[in-house]
Amino acid sequence: DTGVSQDPRHKITKRGQNVTFRCDPISEHNRLYWYRQTLGQGPEFLTYFQNEAQLEKSRLLSDRFSAERPKGSFSTLEIQRTEQGDSAMYLCASGYLSETQYFGPGTRLLVL
Amino acid sequence: DQQVKQNSPSLSVQEGRISILNCDYTNSMFDYFLWYKKYPAEGPTFLISISSIKDKNEDGRFTVFLNKSAKHLSLHIVPSQPGDSAVYFCAALTGANNLFFGTGTRLTVIP
Repeated sequence: DTGVSQDPRHKITKRGQNVTFRCDPISEHNRLYWYRQTLGQGPEFLTYFQNEAQLEKSRLLSDRFSAERPKGSFSTLEIQRTEQGDSAMYLCASGYLSETQYFGPGTRLLVL
Repeated sequence: DQQVKQNSPSLSVQEGRISILNCDYTNSMFDYFLWYKKYPAEGPTFLISISSIKDKNEDGRFTVFLNKSAKHLSLHIVPSQPGDSAVYFCAALTGANNLFFGTGTRLTVIP
């Protein structure tokens, strides 16, 4: 399978803990995106990388959130001092030359 | 501020009939539109897209229509199949790279 992969698929953590998610994009894709989806809503944009450069960040991405894509391949999204409001599905997508973004299966986070 | 709206949270259609899912947007700068399908516990799967320079795009059983003056697009699925049952999201893009999504419409195709 050469689609976008995300790890872990599920994460349960206690409030105040740090969590890190990983995304592996489709291999030839130079663009990588992170979105967050809560119940009953569509995905909301968090941040975007072109190669290793983080080019855009949403206002949703508070200072507790940090994303990296160190070698322009996989990316990590870290949430520090998690809060119950961080509970959501975190989606990664990748793209290449066209506007189409291809999504991974997501990481479902539950903060207790 | 919801820039992409899907006002019907759910739709039920008989197998073999046409499914029409609607989407409205408010931002006239949107120049590319996409439809995604989502099953529970999975990420969205790309279905079909349309550029703002076109008014129709067809791919097999799926056709997307765009009415720029009305800021409205629709997805037609014909004939509908039980495997089409899922949540469908409309999304829009400007020259920037972040997609703006609607809240989704749950389609149920009844055998």
